[in-house]
Amino acid sequence: TQLLEQSPQFLSIQEGENLTVYCNSSSVFSSLQWYRQEPGEGPVLLVTVVTGGEVKKLKRLTFQFGDARKDSSLHITAAQPGDTGLYLCAGVIASGTYKYIFGTGTRLKVLA
Amino acid sequence: KAGVTQTPRYLIKTRGQQVTLSCSPISGHRSVSWYQQTPGQGLQFLFEYFSETQRNKGNFPGRFSGRQFSNSRSEMNVSTLELGDSALYLCASSKGTGDSYEQYFGPGTRLTVT
Repeated sequence: TQLLEQSPQFLSIQEGENLTVYCNSSSVFSSLQWYRQEPGEGPVLLVTVVTGGEVKKLKRLTFQFGDARKDSSLHITAAQPGDTGLYLCAGVIASGTYKYIFGTGTRLKVLA
Repeated sequence: KAGVTQTPRYLIKTRGQQVTLSCSPISGHRSVSWYQQTPGQGLQFLFEYFSETQRNKGNFPGRFSGRQFSNSRSEMNVSTLELGDSALYLCASSKGTGDSYEQYFGPGTRLTVT
């Protein structure tokens, strides 16, 4: 069974604090995607990382793909209330077709 | 470019009934995947359709079925609804070939079974 574990599950922080969300698996992924989902809406794609060791920045968000392509992290600098939401990672396994393994999710609340 | 659309957005059904949900993918995308999202189980993969053929399937009972039309639009059907089927149903589209593996989600259909 392929699993993608995210930690922490829940996070409540004050505006301006930094945080890191982790996504870990024993499987090797062709790529990994991060999504943010707000209540009652579908997940919105934030970034895709493809190469082992790759680091991508999206304003205050920094995404890193592990060297072995089994894990990833999302770091938010100076969190704002607008960052509140459910963060999901999704590993992609490409073997003829694409198989998506979704993480368990991290629910972030940023307090003003 | 228009995003993924799903209809209806909200639905209330009674146990034992059946329901059909619809998804229109992004123009040019040939792959449509369906997911069930609940607070307890997270995002669970139902099935994927590519060029009108089911290409992948998750571990859901046969009450859950789907199809895809020649214009890539997809429908999902749930028969004999159970209370546990209450969930947010999401569809995601992608090109489905080559290096184009990124999935884009629709807003979802919130199904409540009473």
